[in-house]
Amino acid sequence: GIQVEQSPPDLILQEGANSTLRCNFSDSVNNLQWFHQNPWGQLINLFYIPSGTKQNGRLSATTVATERYSLLYISSSQTTDSGVYFCAVVDGQNFVFGPGTRLSVLP
Amino acid sequence: DTEVTQTPKHLVMGMTNKKSLKCEQHMGHRAMYWYKQKAKKPPELMFVYSYEKLSINESVPSRFSPECPNSSLLNLHLHALQPEDSALYLCASSLLSGGNTIYFGEGSWLTVV
Repeated sequence: GIQVEQSPPDLILQEGANSTLRCNFSDSVNNLQWFHQNPWGQLINLFYIPSGTKQNGRLSATTVATERYSLLYISSSQTTDSGVYFCAVVDGQNFVFGPGTRLSVLP
Repeated sequence: DTEVTQTPKHLVMGMTNKKSLKCEQHMGHRAMYWYKQKAKKPPELMFVYSYEKLSINESVPSRFSPECPNSSLLNLHLHALQPEDSALYLCASSLLSGGNTIYFGEGSWLTVV
């Protein structure tokens, strides 16, 4: 099956800082999503981005499918951005998750 | 409306109990999923239903029994669970299995005592 890696595993930022999260995957994919899991456990969709670049407010994402990686950019971070960020790719009928990046934004 | 609703939010059950987790979506999605998530780990697939038929069972023990009564509902019946089954159980749906955007419910936190 497809292997998904994410880096860094943990990230601590001061409020207002920018950050880049990375997702590497082992095989070609036609479906990649980024999620934010809040402290209460809910997985919130951020981007559906199998290729190209998208932006939504302070967040943007880029997937370079030919090189098998995706990046999530968070600008001007806020304390509410804290949580775990997952990327997930489709392998057959399964959405396979990476191990996640745990982000803590300090006030 | 991109909402998947799960009940209950929290459940504590003994090892001899029988309980059920419920999931509902009204987005017209034909694929529904159960994922299990342990602390500090990513979600892991348990079951996939496609057009109300079980299409994937990821070698889940028989003490977990899924049921899809119709295209909007998904249940997970629990019986004779073990303490190590304590976890966050996430229901999700997508338009088609493995395709498009997948949407997750808020999850059911299960504690087995």
